[in-house]
Amino acid sequence: EIVMTQSPATLSVSPGERATLSCRASQSVSSNLAWYQQKPGQAPRLLIYGASTRATGIPARFSGSGSGTEFTLTISSLQSEDFAVYYCQQYNNWPPSLTFGGGTKVEIK
Amino acid sequence: EVQLVESGGGLVKPGGSLRLSCAASGFTFSSYSMNWVRQAPGKGLEWVSSISSSSSYIYYADSVKGRFTISRDNAKNSLYLQMNSLRAEDTAVYYCARAWELQEDYYFDYWGQGTLVTVSS
Repeated sequence: EIVMTQSPATLSVSPGERATLSCRASQSVSSNLAWYQQKPGQAPRLLIYGASTRATGIPARFSGSGSGTEFTLTISSLQSEDFAVYYCQQYNNWPPSLTFGGGTKVEIK
Repeated sequence: EVQLVESGGGLVKPGGSLRLSCAASGFTFSSYSMNWVRQAPGKGLEWVSSISSSSSYIYYADSVKGRFTISRDNAKNSLYLQMNSLRAEDTAVYYCARAWELQEDYYFDYWGQGTLVTVSS
């Protein structure tokens, strides 16, 4: 099974600042990686797929990069609505396996 | 508008059974693979099971294999998860999620709001 490791577990950022979240795969997943945002009490929302393609309706301040085993989600200028937990998910090993990272919580500094 | 509405969660004793449902609307349900993803309280996301559009392909996470059964009824635009031999570690919010599946892509583009399953004596 491919293990996805996200860091840091918690990121404290001031509004307007840049946030950089990391996701590492235990083996190459090519560009078969998605990012999701989850706010408290809500379902996850798709942000990025194919490592770098924004999903429909996602603001341009969200960007994804990387391939192979190292991936980054960058939020260029944090807005109040961006404070949430972010998860990466690999689908390179599909089928039969899909795995998520443990999440990074972006909190207000 | 795509909508996924889960139901059927609740409190069940260890060893018990529960059947979750997901009612889909706003898209051609029979054209998409569907999934269950769960989240234990305060924890991350865990993929549970997937079923292809025509039910030809079904997959399970090792943690639920042999205990859970996924199914769908395309005539009723509904997805199901039959959960047997439930354990405390199955306690979680269970989300129904639509898969976007194209070539190498398989990610979840729409999610329901979830239904809570609590396994406790």
